[in-house]
Amino acid sequence: DVKVTQSSRYLVKRTGEKVFLECVQDMDHENMFWYRQDPGLGLRLIYFSYDVKMKEKGDIPEGYSVSREKKERFSLILESASTNQTSMYLCASSLGTADTEAFFGQGTRLTVV
Amino acid sequence: AQKITQTQPGMFVQEKEAVTLDCTYDTSDQSYGLFWYKQPSSGEMIFLIYQGSYDEQNATEGRYSLNFQKARKSANLVISASQLGDSAMYFCAMREAQGDNSGYALNFGKGTSLLVTP
Repeated sequence: DVKVTQSSRYLVKRTGEKVFLECVQDMDHENMFWYRQDPGLGLRLIYFSYDVKMKEKGDIPEGYSVSREKKERFSLILESASTNQTSMYLCASSLGTADTEAFFGQGTRLTVV
Repeated sequence: AQKITQTQPGMFVQEKEAVTLDCTYDTSDQSYGLFWYKQPSSGEMIFLIYQGSYDEQNATEGRYSLNFQKARKSANLVISASQLGDSAMYFCAMREAQGDNSGYALNFGKGTSLLVTP
């Protein structure tokens, strides 16, 4: 079974802190994604990576950056956390074709205080 | 502009009845994929069904079927014989190419909350 693991289930950080959310997949998938999920807004794509060191901005990249140094790991970085970044963050991975589904991690509930 | 539109924030259906969840999409690509996911209250994302843009037949998976109308750019999910365990959020999603060799992003709609009543 595909496994996508996010490093934390719950995280509380202070405003202005640099925050790292880590995601690891074990299926050699080319594509990895970071979303944030807020009530009434669905899943919004922050960034996705289609290969090692390759990335594309999603719909809401402002305030975030990403890193993909190894194929299995995709990190989301909040350079200076703000309260409006309090949200559920979901990581996903998939093969790099249009006809393959994405597999999701369990999510990280981030609260910025 | 929103790529995936789900116009029903909430739906009710009685147990054993069928229900249709609406989804329209916007793309200029010829090759794309359409997906439906279920998210129960536990929060996990469960893949339900896939439809390819070149598929002529509507996809089916058990009690789930996808009513694909390409000219109208709609990909509605039909759940037959609803069960109490079908109560969840349902998300429509689309994969489309981001450019030459830039992979396929996956974009979601805002979701529909389905409540199945006894």
